[in-house]
Amino acid sequence: AQTVTQSQPEMSVQEAETVTLSCTYDTSESDYYLFWYKQPPSRQMILVIRQEAYKQQNATENRFSVNFQKAAKSFSLKISDSQLGDAAMYFCAYVREGAQKLVFGQGTRLTINP
Amino acid sequence: KAGVTQTPRYLIKTRGQQVTLSCSPISGHRSVSWYQQTPGQGLQFLFEYFSETQRNKGNFPGRFSGRQFSNSRSEMNVSTLELGDSALYLCASSLEGRPYTGELFFGEGSRLTVL
Repeated sequence: AQTVTQSQPEMSVQEAETVTLSCTYDTSESDYYLFWYKQPPSRQMILVIRQEAYKQQNATENRFSVNFQKAAKSFSLKISDSQLGDAAMYFCAYVREGAQKLVFGQGTRLTINP
Repeated sequence: KAGVTQTPRYLIKTRGQQVTLSCSPISGHRSVSWYQQTPGQGLQFLFEYFSETQRNKGNFPGRFSGRQFSNSRSEMNVSTLELGDSALYLCASSLEGRPYTGELFFGEGSRLTVL
């Protein structure tokens, strides 16, 4: 069975600085997708960034970028120029190609210090 | 375009009762999934429906059931509630088709408290 592990339950960073959230996963599949979802307090979960496993190039979305290491099964999220609005729970997630069931990590609570 | 809508947002039940939660997906989305979120277990997959058929099911007891209607709206039901069923229940919809993205669009959730 596929598993996703986030080893950092909590992280904090000063506003405007850079922070990296870690995620590792385990799968025997070759075609899959990885995601980082953000869940602000009492707000709905939204997609931050997506990575297709067949793409070697790391995905980027404005201040958010990933470091995808397929052989190491590692998928970290880097947030640059952290903003107060980035404070949230961040979940790493995996889905096999064609499947609808996402497997989530336990989440990392990110605090932004002003 | 309206997002995923879940009702009710909050509810309190007592042990032994049953509860029904509703989810309206984004217009055009035909796949609806349900997840249970608790502090201890995190996000766990309950089931997924597509075109009124359950395609996938997670490892939950039979007290947890669901259905999907012809307009893609979905309901989930939990019977004989237990204290451990207290959780945030999240509904998510997705657009089937190519290119496949795997992305889910989540509602704000229904927070169930069992006393």
